[in-house]
Amino acid sequence: EAGVTQSPTHLIKTRGQQATLRCSPISGHTSVYWYQQALGLGLQFLLWYDEGEERNRGNFPPRFSGRQFPNYSSELNVNALELEDSALYLCASSSYIGAAYNEQFFGPGTRLTVL
Amino acid sequence: GENVEQHPSTLSVQEGDSAVIKCTYSDSASNYFPWYKQELGKGPQLIIDIRSNVGEKKDQRIAVTLNKTAKHFSLHITETQPEDSAVYFCAASLSSNTGKLIFGQGTTLQVKP
Repeated sequence: EAGVTQSPTHLIKTRGQQATLRCSPISGHTSVYWYQQALGLGLQFLLWYDEGEERNRGNFPPRFSGRQFPNYSSELNVNALELEDSALYLCASSSYIGAAYNEQFFGPGTRLTVL
Repeated sequence: GENVEQHPSTLSVQEGDSAVIKCTYSDSASNYFPWYKQELGKGPQLIIDIRSNVGEKKDQRIAVTLNKTAKHFSLHITETQPEDSAVYFCAASLSSNTGKLIFGQGTTLQVKP
């Protein structure tokens, strides 16, 4: 069974530009989560999408946004890029069984570099 | 607020020894505690998890213990091998309705052959 996939692997942008990152969840998973892993700051929760809707959002400015498509894949958009947005962006997915969401499985990440 | 403290930040052990990583969480409503292993250039890999209604869980050489009263949980790796070398993260989740995992800062484990 294929795991969570993310594209591109690396992305280089300049300050002020926009970046689009993509994620495909594990087959059968309906929830997608985005995390930022910046150097020295650990993993920070960004966004949670389930069934096409945004369910929760972390403490990030509105220029971080995204969406989830009918096939449950997702994209993360970062507008007006700043130098401090340079980080590894990780996508995770989980299934929903009964009243509980399950374990989050991570993809390999997209390394975003802002020059 | 929500916070997870993880110690130590680095840990070096000899092959065959045990390794213990400890985490403390701040929010008593936390009910799910996963552990992830991240190798260089890869995403975090879920290695074991525990829910708040369980005190201990074991999977081969890996075990996790949870003390809800003290609000801390630990990862125990026995008979360490060089391939166990990686960064380990603990995390805590408030409930199934937030989707949010709060991560510790990570522990770099080095297993010396």
